[in-house]
Amino acid sequence: EAGVTQFPSHSVIEKGQTVTLRCDPISGHDNLYWYRRVMGKEIKFLLHFVKESKQDESGMPNNRFLAERTGGTYSTLKVQPAELEDSGVYFCASSQVNTEAFFGQGTRLTVV
Amino acid sequence: GQNIDQPTEMTATEGAIVQINCTYQTSGFNGLFWYQQHAGEAPTFLSYNVLDGLEEKGRFSSFLSRSKGYSYLLLKELQMKDSASYLCAVRGRRRALTFGSGTRLQVQP
Repeated sequence: EAGVTQFPSHSVIEKGQTVTLRCDPISGHDNLYWYRRVMGKEIKFLLHFVKESKQDESGMPNNRFLAERTGGTYSTLKVQPAELEDSGVYFCASSQVNTEAFFGQGTRLTVV
Repeated sequence: GQNIDQPTEMTATEGAIVQINCTYQTSGFNGLFWYQQHAGEAPTFLSYNVLDGLEEKGRFSSFLSRSKGYSYLLLKELQMKDSASYLCAVRGRRRALTFGSGTRLQVQP
């Protein structure tokens, strides 16, 4: 069974540009989460989808971040325009109801 | 809000036993998770506790005391491949995980 896959694995962009990260959850997992780890800090929650609906977006840092999950399958996280402090590793995770979350390998975003 | 504390680094010897502690303060509790993360890889689920007591899975065990806001992960018969970061995470009422900063474990020969 395929795990959670994220694309791209690495992205280097200039300040002010736009980047879109993609996450494909495990098939059948209704819950999809985005997390972020910035340099030297702990992994922090960004938002949670249940199918195509945003269940909790309390962790989204500001309106430069937009997450979508059309059709309740894969999800995208767009950062527009990117700032230097957005650099970090963005993790996606998925789960069934009341089970552990399975994480992808993350997208390392570097904003220069 | 939630606050999670765990040691930054630990060192142990191959074949030994190591205990990694985690304390937490939370406004809502819906389970405590331990994940293992090797550098550059995805966090991998190790264990889950929602009730007080010990959960055992092979060489790994995890303990929870909700009244004390305390958990530990016990690794037995340490192997070199156990060198990794170990992440303590609490799930709140809204299902999101709050992570500690992780404990970097170095297993020495």
